[in-house]
Amino acid sequence: DQQVKQNSPSLSVQEGRISILNCDYTNSMFDYFLWYKKYPAEGPTFLISISSIKDKNEDGRFTVFLNKSAKHLSLHIVPSQPGDSAVYFCAAMEYGNKLVFGAGTILRVKS
Amino acid sequence: SAVISQKPSRDICQRGTSLTIQCQVDSQVTMMFWYRQQPGQSLTLIATANQGSEATYESGFVIDKFPISRPNLTFSTLTVSNMSPEDSSIYLCSVGAGTGNEKLFFGSGTQLSVL
Repeated sequence: DQQVKQNSPSLSVQEGRISILNCDYTNSMFDYFLWYKKYPAEGPTFLISISSIKDKNEDGRFTVFLNKSAKHLSLHIVPSQPGDSAVYFCAAMEYGNKLVFGAGTILRVKS
Repeated sequence: SAVISQKPSRDICQRGTSLTIQCQVDSQVTMMFWYRQQPGQSLTLIATANQGSEATYESGFVIDKFPISRPNLTFSTLTVSNMSPEDSSIYLCSVGAGTGNEKLFFGSGTQLSVL
């Protein structure tokens, strides 16, 4: 039972363009959402989060959008840089409970 | 934030043996979490380790297979027992931040291959 789904295993984007990573969830009780980035041979690092009371959160080049009615969130990276090439995990939780992760999307930013 | 040191970083083990993974945090934390990432899969929580009490295991994970120790507030170990090739995964320890442990900090992971 995959409660958090990242349907695109990989994404390739040209440097300077926008990267859009998508994530869908099924549990309507989730009220907090996060994105993590993972480089090879490293643990995931927290990138950005959003509470269910908001529909957008921005941090520099990174913006997360939440569409609760569609149970969908997305991460926008603009402009994309080669150093952004990594695996991106979407995660969700019902506050106070465990984080549930998606399977990840490999982002490749071509220079 | 927290700095988490995890070792070994990788190991190749024979079927039927056991491997103990160590996790050291640079600050005292109440809860430590152990995750597994099988190839092509998401990160799955194995158990939550609380200092001074037995670990709490998620559905599908049992103490006999994944015994956990938590002797103090900065250290934990996870043992993968009686290994089979299906145990080949990345194992990650993490600690939480925020009132609901909603932000996790991860160690660098242990890449385990079982032959």
